Amino acid sequence: DIQMTQSPSSLSASVGDRVTITCRASQSISNFLNWYQAKPGRAPKLLVYAASIVQSDVPSRFSGSGYGTEFTLTISSLQPEDFTTYYCQQSDSSPWTFGQGTKVEV
Amino acid sequence: QVQLQESGPGLVKPSETLSLTCSVSGGSVSSGSYYWSWIRQPPGKGLEWIGYVSYIGSTEYNPSLKSRLTISVDTSKNHFSLRLNSVTAADTAVYYCARVGRGYNYGFWFDPWGQGTLVSVSS
Repeated sequence: DIQMTQSPSSLSASVGDRVTITCRASQSISNFLNWYQAKPGRAPKLLVYAASIVQSDVPSRFSGSGYGTEFTLTISSLQPEDFTTYYCQQSDSSPWTFGQGTKVEV
Repeated sequence: QVQLQESGPGLVKPSETLSLTCSVSGGSVSSGSYYWSWIRQPPGKGLEWIGYVSYIGSTEYNPSLKSRLTISVDTSKNHFSLRLNSVTAADTAVYYCARVGRGYNYGFWFDPWGQGTLVSVSS
């Protein structure tokens, strides 16, 4: 199985900060990397697919980049509703696997 | 817009079968453009992909669960289902259903997701 490792596991930030989360794959996964936002008790939300394509209803402050084994999710100016947990997920090969999550805290 | 909703028992006894259904509204499971998937998250742990089914019933399963797992689709009811046999406490988790988008050179992604349902395995 392809292992996905996110860093950091948690981070402290303030409203307005620029935040970057990294996801590393144990082997090359081309651009088959997605990012999700998860809030307790709610359906997780797709933010970015194919490494850099921002889903249509996602605010423009979210962006993704990377190829191969290293990927980043960037929030350009953190908003109050962004304090939650983010996951990466690879679909290069089955079984599809997720990172362990990054919790963005105040 | 497409919405998904999980339903099923919240408590299952060890060694019995966990059965969940995902009802789809605002869209059709008969669409050939998508797969339909299950994902779970044990308490305090990360997300685990379980498997998916296509509208014609073809499936792909996580090998870690394959021997106990059946995912099926019912186009007449516009829903798809999960059956996991011989459950143990390790199967306690929030179970999510999701639609799988796909594109050549884009891979596969989960969107949207259901809200999730907690299933506890306990006697």
